[in-house]
Amino acid sequence: QQPVQSPQAVILREGEDAVINCSSSKALYSVHWYRQKHGEAPVFLMILLKGGEQKGHEKISASFNEKKQQSSLYLTASQLSYSGTYFCGTLGGSQGNLIFGKGTKLSVKP
Amino acid sequence: DAGITQSPRHKVTETGTPVTLRCHQTENHRYMYWYRQDPGHGLRLIHYSYGVKDTDKGEVSDGYSVSRSKTEDFLLTLESATSSQTSVYFCAISDPGTRTPTGELFFGEGSRLTVL
Repeated sequence: QQPVQSPQAVILREGEDAVINCSSSKALYSVHWYRQKHGEAPVFLMILLKGGEQKGHEKISASFNEKKQQSSLYLTASQLSYSGTYFCGTLGGSQGNLIFGKGTKLSVKP
Repeated sequence: DAGITQSPRHKVTETGTPVTLRCHQTENHRYMYWYRQDPGHGLRLIHYSYGVKDTDKGEVSDGYSVSRSKTEDFLLTLESATSSQTSVYFCAISDPGTRTPTGELFFGEGSRLTVL
């Protein structure tokens, strides 16, 4: 099943913070995060594994709560370059097939 | 950048015609994927391959077939294109992760298909 992301869209001013959530109805082994800028291909941000570890990429970090079957992406002190659509992905099976959520569109304004 | 190329990058075709999209990699990655992207739907998995001649269906496989006869090539075929298959198609490649079935996905630049 496709993971559910919220919110669908968010508008920020430079320097503000944002949180993007990703939840699943099935048990999660890992959560993958990608960012896609307009007109470009998605680009990998990070993978979070079962165990609640947090990871970071620039000023973007994420957490993974396997009990709640959800992950959150934290963008702090947002920059214009953070604008884009963020996707979370979860494994559809054991063969590595990744199923993505519908995405969260982030717009950072000056 | 991962060596992954898609062809054609743009194609306009008519309803009922066959279409084949090609994904070619030079990275020797094990997994290859075809996704389609439509507004409001995000990235939806069509088919994927976990080895030469090993393929499986994704979320939206109806109307599509795939083949992988060599590690480097993954073909997506629309036997009889319909207007609902107008979309941007992305190929992606990956290898197994250290502690997860798949690691980072590298995406191609996308192929825009318009079916009239």
